[in-house]
Amino acid sequence: DTEVTQTPKHLVMGMTNKKSLKCEQHMGHRAMYWYKQKAKKPPELMFVYSYEKLSINESVPSRFSPECPNSSLLNLHLHALQPEDSALYLCASSPRALAGSYEQYFGPGTRLTVT
Amino acid sequence: AQKVTQAQTEISVVEKEDVTLDCVYETRDTTYYLFWYKQPPSGELVFLIRRNSFDEQNEISGRYSWNFQKSTSSFNFTITASQVVDSAVYFCALSEVGNEKLTFGTGTRLTIIP
Repeated sequence: DTEVTQTPKHLVMGMTNKKSLKCEQHMGHRAMYWYKQKAKKPPELMFVYSYEKLSINESVPSRFSPECPNSSLLNLHLHALQPEDSALYLCASSPRALAGSYEQYFGPGTRLTVT
Repeated sequence: AQKVTQAQTEISVVEKEDVTLDCVYETRDTTYYLFWYKQPPSGELVFLIRRNSFDEQNEISGRYSWNFQKSTSSFNFTITASQVVDSAVYFCALSEVGNEKLTFGTGTRLTIIP
């Protein structure tokens, strides 16, 4: 099973709302990633978790708060977002957090709209 | 610093034609990895291939083939006898050894016209 699942598929939220994005994999991977992708742009790395610990934060604003409760789950908590945060949010996993040595498997993404 | 350039922003070809997507990269490392990913309209990035810098053999997988040339820092992707299902955005990516990050190119949007 090489599947990464993400919920919800679509999310519309106001600037004062709190919501969470969820990502799950059952491939035994120990690295998980959050990416943000704007229209007609490549994915931009936000966070990397390695063995359930945050190893990379690409200077992401604090209104985005990641959480890795266990090796299979990755959450992204959203609070007080801005309209410019509207984007496709992609989750990915790989066996280890060495981007070159292992391919990353991506989920279908959550399309977020902030109103 | 590492960089990936995909100069072709959009390509359209008629079904059954062959098409080549270009990828040029920059890195100071002697050991690095190159990738191609496909992103169909559904949004999910699909892994296609990973190649390390020591392996310059061309690779063929069905209708897909890849030409890696270190002399020109290129890793081009050819689709033979294109099909409508090949319509997608294709990303080339690079990672240096020991690095946790992928550097993506800007992508090439491929449209196959039936």
